[in-house]
Amino acid sequence: SAVISQKPSRDICQRGTSLTIQCQVDSQVTMMFWYRQQPGQSLTLIATANQGSEATYESGFVIDKFPISRPNLTFSTLTVSNMSPEDSSIYLCSVRGLAGAAEQFFGPGTRLTVL
Amino acid sequence: EDQVTQSPEALRLQEGESSSLNCSYTVSGLRGLFWYRQDPGKGPEFLFTLYSAGEEKEKERLKATLTKKESFLHITAPKPEDSATYLCAVRLTSGTYKYIFGTGTRLKVLA
Repeated sequence: SAVISQKPSRDICQRGTSLTIQCQVDSQVTMMFWYRQQPGQSLTLIATANQGSEATYESGFVIDKFPISRPNLTFSTLTVSNMSPEDSSIYLCSVRGLAGAAEQFFGPGTRLTVL
Repeated sequence: EDQVTQSPEALRLQEGESSSLNCSYTVSGLRGLFWYRQDPGKGPEFLFTLYSAGEEKEKERLKATLTKKESFLHITAPKPEDSATYLCAVRLTSGTYKYIFGTGTRLKVLA
């Protein structure tokens, strides 16, 4: 499976600021995803990061709040904009494995605390 | 509405005490069911994929099974290092790669 890294691993931010989270994969992958895991809750898909085109957002998530870039097949960023304490969460990127495989593999996550 | 429910929310076992975790699902169409293990402060680690009722997968002390309504993760003679949160997720037949996750079972195995 691919090796996935995320930066930063954790951060504490002030209300009203923005944070960009990076996701790097050690091999080219077709699909990359961004999830949110709020305390005590399950993982929720924010969006699918599409290479060379706009991300596909799930219901309840919008591009202005969570802009996503995917400049190539190994890298993506998620920005959490104009943060509030409700954005405190773990943010995870995942990748779909080999072509034809259904499994997703997850990065280590970014723990975000907004004060 | 598509839904995934895991039970129990938390489970404490003595080392060697076998048990099962449940993942029940109500979905429009199942394309795959996935089990993950998540340790504190880490991302989920992939364990198993199940595609059809009757299918079983095994890995060390873990065995996953699937019926038309639920999946079980059986843990045989667990060890303290099996302590983690176990997550299940489903992928629908609707043509997307979206997973719907359950809230997980927090397992604690006592030495």
